[in-house]
Amino acid sequence: QQQVKQSPQSLIVQKGGIPIINCAYENTAFDYFPWYQQFPGKGPALLIAIRPDVSEKKEGRFTISFNKSAKQFSLHIMDSQPGDSATYFCAASSRISGSARQLTFGSGTQLTVLP
Amino acid sequence: EAQVTQNPRYLITVTGKKLTVTCSQNMNHEYMSWYRQDPGLGLRQIYYSMNVEVTDKGDVPEGYKVSRKEKRNFPLILESPSPNQTSLYFCASSRKLSGGQETQYFGPGTRLLVL
Repeated sequence: QQQVKQSPQSLIVQKGGIPIINCAYENTAFDYFPWYQQFPGKGPALLIAIRPDVSEKKEGRFTISFNKSAKQFSLHIMDSQPGDSATYFCAASSRISGSARQLTFGSGTQLTVLP
Repeated sequence: EAQVTQNPRYLITVTGKKLTVTCSQNMNHEYMSWYRQDPGLGLRQIYYSMNVEVTDKGDVPEGYKVSRKEKRNFPLILESPSPNQTSLYFCASSRKLSGGQETQYFGPGTRLLVL
């Protein structure tokens, strides 16, 4: 059972378009929501993250929108470029016990930005 | 350069032949973990370690072992590999921050094929 549901599985946009990737969760114990970007042959790397007390966070061309009541969050990429072509993972972090925390990932979205 | 290294990067083995995938980080991070990445399933945590000699199971620990004898190293051991352990494996490390805002740094991955 996937605790963080991510869609779509794949996405193709033209250069300059605004791809949107959506994630939904059920566990209200999640309290930190990072997005990771993964290029072929590489490990995932942190792209941007948000806490649930904020509805939007913007870093450069990347924006996270967060809807706490709906338990949904999404990644928007403004003015997308071919270099943004990668797999994107949403994730959610929760405390397990004491200071131990766990990061739960979505299934990933393969984004292709056409020139 | 701050990094997480894994070895080997690619491995083909046969069912039942014990293997070890090494992971090392040079950032003095307390927290280390192992994930496997499978198509359509995202990254799933196998084991994690909060510090030296402290390890615990993640979501999919069956068939794996880990040890944390030194802060920088966190090897993944497959005592008797089976074909369903064919996957892409990532090691990750992070500092132990409050509020769950830790950034996980991923290694480059180890692609394992068990025949």
